[in-house]
Amino acid sequence: DVKVTQSSRYLVKRTGEKVFLECVQDMDHENMFWYRQDPGLGLRLIYFSYDVKMKEKGDIPEGYSVSREKKERFSLILESASTNQTSMYLCATQIRRQPQHFGDGTRLSIL
Amino acid sequence: AQKITQTQPGMFVQEKEAVTLDCTYDTSDPSYGLFWYKQPSSGEMIFLIYQGSYDQQNATEGRYSLNFQKARKSANLVISASQLGDSAMYFCAMRERGETSGSRLTFGEGTQLTVNP
Repeated sequence: DVKVTQSSRYLVKRTGEKVFLECVQDMDHENMFWYRQDPGLGLRLIYFSYDVKMKEKGDIPEGYSVSREKKERFSLILESASTNQTSMYLCATQIRRQPQHFGDGTRLSIL
Repeated sequence: AQKITQTQPGMFVQEKEAVTLDCTYDTSDPSYGLFWYKQPSSGEMIFLIYQGSYDQQNATEGRYSLNFQKARKSANLVISASQLGDSAMYFCAMRERGETSGSRLTFGEGTQLTVNP
């Protein structure tokens, strides 16, 4: 089974802090994704990556950046956290045309 | 324009009964795929079922089936013989062939299903 590990289940940070969310997969999946989930809005794609050092913007990239230095790790960075970035963040991986596999999510609160 | 629409924010069903969760989509791409995921209160997203736009038959996976009506652009999830463990949020999602590499998904708003004993 594919295992997608997100570094924290719950995280509390302060406004203005630089926040790192980490996602690690144990399979050789080339595609990785970061979503945020908000009530009534479903999941919205922030960024995705289809190869090491490659990244593409999703639907809501503003205020975020990503890093993929190694194939197994995809990091989401909040450059200067704001309260409107309080949300559930989900990482997913995928290979070829298979369904995406998700991590357990990180519930991030920005105070 | 909204690509995936789930019009039922909440649904209730009695244990052992069947329930249908609605999903409509909008695309001009002739090649696309439709997915359903389940999200229990613990938060993880669980893949349930997939339907390709060229598939001739409706997809089935155990108690889950997908009622695919291409002309109506709908892909409703049918859960037969509901169980208490089916209580969760359910998301419909679409992948379009025209997307750049990465096979990104577009998700609907979700339907919260509650199974009553």
